[in-house]
Amino acid sequence: DQQVKQNSPSLSVQEGRISILNCDYTNSMFDYFLWYKKYPAEGPTFLISISSIKDKNEDGRFTVFLNKSAKHLSLHIVPSQPGDSAVYFCAAPLNTGNQFYFGTGTSLTVIP
Amino acid sequence: DGGITQSPKYLFRKEGQNVTLSCEQNLNHDAMYWYRQDPGQGLRLIYYSQIVNDFQKGDIAEGYSVSREKKESFPLTVTSAQKNPTAFYLCASSIQDSGEQYFGPGTRLTVT
Repeated sequence: DQQVKQNSPSLSVQEGRISILNCDYTNSMFDYFLWYKKYPAEGPTFLISISSIKDKNEDGRFTVFLNKSAKHLSLHIVPSQPGDSAVYFCAAPLNTGNQFYFGTGTSLTVIP
Repeated sequence: DGGITQSPKYLFRKEGQNVTLSCEQNLNHDAMYWYRQDPGQGLRLIYYSQIVNDFQKGDIAEGYSVSREKKESFPLTVTSAQKNPTAFYLCASSIQDSGEQYFGPGTRLTVT
C-alpha cells in the first residue's frame, strides 16, 4: 500500500529552467512532509519540509507547495542547476515519526 | 504484492545486548540499504549492498554489522559497540543504486 506516491520516475530539465517534482498521498492523517535529495552511493539528505498548516515553504531556490484538498505536494527548483541532478524523495511521517512513508523517488537530470 | 518488509515494528533491548533487525524484499532488487533516522536529521546510510555476498559501509557503519547471504534478505545487527542505538531504522531496496528506492516501514529500536 503506497501511501506516498511519486508517479514520475524521471525528469529532465534544461539548466536555468524550473524543475517541478510532484508527490501525492492518500492518508489524510499526514500533517508533515519532507523532501530528500539523494546522490548515488550516498544516503538521502534532507532538503525541505512543510507542515500541513502552511501551503508554501521556501528555502532559496527550493519551494514546496502543499494542496491538502488534493492531497498533493510539489517541489519547485528554480533556477535548476546541474548539481541538482539527483533522486528526490517525498516522505511523510506518521505517529510522530514512528513510521515513515516514502515515495519511490524521482530522478532529476539537469542538462547543462 | 511485491514489497519490502521490516520486522518487528517496535523493538526494545537492554544496553549491552546485540539485536538484529530483519529486512526482506520480494521485488527481485539487487541493491539493499540500511538507514538510520534521528529526530531533526535526515536519513543516514549505515550499510548498503549492491549484490549478494557483498556490502559496503555507509556514513555511520561503526557499531553495526550486516550480511547478504540471499538476494531477498539484508539483516542488520546493532551491536553493543554502537553508542547511541536508539533510533528509527529504515531498510530500502532498488534495482540499481542510481534508481528509485523502495523503503520498508521501519523499525523503532529503543535501548535502555
